[in-house]
Amino acid sequence: AQSVTQLGSHVSVSEGALVLLRCNYSSSVPPYLFWYVQYPNQGLQLLLKYTSAATLVKGINGFEAEFKKSETSFHLTKPSAHMSDAAEYFCAVSSGSARQLTFGSGTQLTVLP
Amino acid sequence: DTGVSQDPRHKITKRGQNVTFRCDPISEHNRLYWYRQTLGQGPEFLTYFQNEAQLEKSRLLSDRFSAERPKGSFSTLEIQRTEQGDSAMYLCASSFPQGDSNEQFFGPGTRLTVL
Repeated sequence: AQSVTQLGSHVSVSEGALVLLRCNYSSSVPPYLFWYVQYPNQGLQLLLKYTSAATLVKGINGFEAEFKKSETSFHLTKPSAHMSDAAEYFCAVSSGSARQLTFGSGTQLTVLP
Repeated sequence: DTGVSQDPRHKITKRGQNVTFRCDPISEHNRLYWYRQTLGQGPEFLTYFQNEAQLEKSRLLSDRFSAERPKGSFSTLEIQRTEQGDSAMYLCASSFPQGDSNEQFFGPGTRLTVL
């Protein structure tokens, strides 16, 4: 079975500082990996996805993630945090015949002024 | 707006009542998923449709839960004899796989509170 572990349920950064949200996955086959963002009382919005085309994936709002097979990681980064980045972030892996998503438990990002 | 829509956005019910949620996917998407998200957790997969066929169900989907997608377009999720443990956000997502990607687009969710 595939699984996702997000290290750090809460991360705080200052505005303008680097954002680093950690995600490790477990998969018996080459994974398809996703990062989603969720604002309060809303659904999930896709930030970026890894589908084996390139190990460094660029997404929306200045976010990017690097797939590292040797470390089974897919960490999300943004060079400079903005107040509007405050939200919950979920890493997910696609699996099964239905290609359903298995999500991590999420990381709540707080951006301090 | 041509995104995924869900109705209602919020539902408060008493324990033991039945509730039904609706999801309208993006029109050309043939795959539809239901997920449940409890407070402080990531969404968990419940069930999956390809067109009108329900092809997979999670063990989380007890016999009190039933989902349909009668014409391969909108879907409904019904919970019978609700319990307080059913309180959660119910998310619907749709996709149309192209190549290796199965990017799922999520609706805003229905938040269920069982009193």
